[in-house]
Amino acid sequence: GAGVSQSPSNKVTEKGKDVELRCDPISGHTALYWYRQRLGQGLEFLIYFQGNSAPDKSGLPSDRFSAERTGESVSTLTIQRTQQEDSAVYLCASSLFAEQYFGPGTRLTVT
Amino acid sequence: AQSVTQLDSQVPVFEEAPVELRCNYSSSVSVYLFWYVQYPNQGLQLLLKYLSGSTLVKGINGFEAEFNKSQTSFHLRKPSVHISDTAEYFCAVTLITNAGKSTFGDGTTLTVKP
Repeated sequence: GAGVSQSPSNKVTEKGKDVELRCDPISGHTALYWYRQRLGQGLEFLIYFQGNSAPDKSGLPSDRFSAERTGESVSTLTIQRTQQEDSAVYLCASSLFAEQYFGPGTRLTVT
Repeated sequence: AQSVTQLDSQVPVFEEAPVELRCNYSSSVSVYLFWYVQYPNQGLQLLLKYLSGSTLVKGINGFEAEFNKSQTSFHLRKPSVHISDTAEYFCAVTLITNAGKSTFGDGTTLTVKP
């Protein structure tokens, strides 16, 4: 079956512009996660959805970051007024229970 | 809050040698434990998991890990590595009481040399 998909795979944007990253989870997976992975580093938790509610937004680094999810389907992560330090790979994962299935990521480069 | 420490950031080994990647965790409550692998330029995929039962768990590609509650460890092992095992390996824990949030270690880069 289809896995987690993310789009775009690569995004280059100018500092100060807004970007929107998309995640399509595995059908039927109730939980959805966003992580950030800077070059050579581990995963930084951003936000977690259970259904379309977000019980844990503790990882969002600033109010420039927001995310939403429609039902138990697509999620979008929006970064406003991008900064160079936002450059990273943004990973999405979905889960039915505990173990997570990851998408290939979106590589964001802010110039 | 839980935390995960991967004790080695880089592990170089020769092909067909055994390898152990170490993971220690800290949590005041019971946890589920996972190892994920990230091949170059790819997303993460589950290697193996411990939810309950036998403390020795086997995963894909010949990897296994042992949950040691007293040592709060979950070390990953493989008796004989291949070049294709070169990748980044992440240990993760999830609270049993809140399966929604996982904490990941910083990763261990395994480099298998011919």
